Amino acid sequence: KAGVTQTPRYLIKTRGQQVTLSCSPISGHRSVSWYQQTPGQGLQFLFEYFSETQRNKGNFPGRFSGRQFSNSRSEMNVSTLELGDSALYLCASSSGQGGIFRYGYTFGSGTRLTVV
Amino acid sequence: DQQVKQNSPSLSVQEGRISILNCDYTNSMFDYFLWYKKYPAEGPTFLISISSIKDKNEDGRFTVFLNKSAKHLSLHIVPSQPGDSAVYFCAASLYGGATNKLIFGTGTLLAVQP
Repeated sequence: KAGVTQTPRYLIKTRGQQVTLSCSPISGHRSVSWYQQTPGQGLQFLFEYFSETQRNKGNFPGRFSGRQFSNSRSEMNVSTLELGDSALYLCASSSGQGGIFRYGYTFGSGTRLTVV
Repeated sequence: DQQVKQNSPSLSVQEGRISILNCDYTNSMFDYFLWYKKYPAEGPTFLISISSIKDKNEDGRFTVFLNKSAKHLSLHIVPSQPGDSAVYFCAASLYGGATNKLIFGTGTLLAVQP
């Protein structure tokens, strides 16, 4: 079956702009989580959506938002971009039923965002 | 507050020898621990997990050990192969029944020398 698809793969934006990233989970998976990866910080949890509802949220400012559609596809949006938002943004899908703790998420390849 | 710590940013091992990657955590309520491997330009891939009620889990060349009293886990790779060269992340979960949140460490870059 197809994996997790993230688009675009690379993005360059200017400070102050906004950006929208897209994630299509594995077919049948209803949970989509977003993580930010920066050097030295590991993966930081942004938020999780399950059946179109935000189920958990990390410690990021309100400029970071997301949503999930009825087909489980998810988007995350970052408004008023700052230089520090430059990172790899990873989307992870799972069935949402708890198997993640035995089998893990399935991650996409990520979107590399560079803010200049 | 970094609840999951990987204090070694990098590790170099000879092919065929054992690789030991370490991870420490602070929250005794974590109920599952997972290891992920990440190659450049790819997303992390799940390797192995362990429940907090166990102290060892094995899958082929990979074994994870959990020492709850020391709040420490380790991943052993035996024998190490050049294809194992990647960044390894440990992660922990707080299962609240309605969330899939994982807390990740900062990663250890493993280099397996031929």
